[in-house]
Amino acid sequence: DAGVIQSPRHEVTEMGQEVTLRCKPISGHNSLFWYRQTMMRGLELLIYFNNNVPIDDSGMPEDRFSAKMPNASFSTLKIQPSEPRDSAVYFCASSFSLVGLPGRVYNEQFFGPGTRLTVL
Amino acid sequence: SQQGEEDPQALSIQEGENATMNCSYKTSINNLQWYRQNSGRGLVHLILIRSNEREKHSGRLRVTLDTSKKSSSLLITASRAADTASYFCATMNSGYSTLTFGKGTMLLVSP
Repeated sequence: DAGVIQSPRHEVTEMGQEVTLRCKPISGHNSLFWYRQTMMRGLELLIYFNNNVPIDDSGMPEDRFSAKMPNASFSTLKIQPSEPRDSAVYFCASSFSLVGLPGRVYNEQFFGPGTRLTVL
Repeated sequence: SQQGEEDPQALSIQEGENATMNCSYKTSINNLQWYRQNSGRGLVHLILIRSNEREKHSGRLRVTLDTSKKSSSLLITASRAADTASYFCATMNSGYSTLTFGKGTMLLVSP
């Protein structure tokens, strides 16, 4: 298995430009997570999908951020317009979890290599 | 806000020594997980301990969980230079299905 795949690995853009980050989760996983990591704030959960449906987007900073998961094998995180304070490493992670059932099972998350975003 | 808080923030040891990192959290949990992150890479899952477990082993790793004190520890025995990385604890709260990460402990193992 190739693991979680993210693209691009590095993105440098200018303030005001639209940025789209992409993620392919591990096949068979039903949960997908977008995180942002900075020195100041550490690792923050932005949004979480289960079976392609957004479950919790309370971590999305503001309306400039949006995420979609059109199918089980692809997700995007879009920032429009981008600002310098959005500079960070963005990680996608996936897992297989049985949510909403008696005796819920929450398993480990598998992280992608991250996208290092620099907004000038 | 951070749920897990690791201690110490940084740890420097010699190869062959043991490394102990601690994690404290605030609310009740379903499980607690430890992850490692090498510089410039994504996080890698190390071990998961459920709220009804007290100790777990995996190779050179030993994790303990004390739910009464809301704390966990990660012990790496006979450390190697390749263990140099940041280590994060992450808690999964009861009733939720997402992880909350601490800010991590940076471990440096010198040859």
